[in-house]
Amino acid sequence: AQSVAQPEDQVNVAEGNPLTVKCTYSVSGNPYLFWYVQYPNRGLQFLLKYITGDNLVKGSYGFEAEFNKSQTSFHLKKPSALVSDSALYFCAVRDIKGGYQKVTFGTGTKLQVIP
Amino acid sequence: GAVVSQHPSRVICKSGTSVKIECRSLDFQATTMFWYRQFPKQSLMLMATSNEGSKATYEQGVEKDKFLINHASLTLSTLTVTSAHPEDSSFYICSARDSGWGSGELFFGEGSRLTVL
Repeated sequence: AQSVAQPEDQVNVAEGNPLTVKCTYSVSGNPYLFWYVQYPNRGLQFLLKYITGDNLVKGSYGFEAEFNKSQTSFHLKKPSALVSDSALYFCAVRDIKGGYQKVTFGTGTKLQVIP
Repeated sequence: GAVVSQHPSRVICKSGTSVKIECRSLDFQATTMFWYRQFPKQSLMLMATSNEGSKATYEQGVEKDKFLINHASLTLSTLTVTSAHPEDSSFYICSARDSGWGSGELFFGEGSRLTVL
């Protein structure tokens, strides 16, 4: 079975400071990894994904994430946080072994950027 | 990215009535769509996988007679909450993946907030 862990319910960061939202995963095969952002009462928006290749993935709105196979992590990062980045962030994984289609989401991390 | 439209965004109904939520892929075809339920301050719970032209696959613990899913075309899936009760009040979100499979990310609708009085 595949799983995703987001150990922090909430992350607070001052505007202009770098931010990190943590994610670790567990799959039996090779993972597809995703980050999504959700604003209040809205659906999820896709930020970035790791499929294969370069471990550092760049996505929308200046976000990036680093795939670390040995640590089974896929932390989301941004060099300089904006107040508008305040939202709920979800890490997700899909196991590509055997054509398994389901995507498993983490519990979400609320990011609060303080002006 | 691809666009998924979900309607209605908000619905309030009386207990015992049925509510239909539509999910449309606007610029791509989706043989598979997914329906999620999200409780306040919680993650998304996959309810069912909607397959075009065939029966939906429900997750364990989800009542298929309660949550009727129809995926009649490659661009439309509907979720009908039958005989709704206050405990069915929630935020329902659909998602879809381009039938071409491609890189595999899901595209989400804007969600539908159901309030059952």
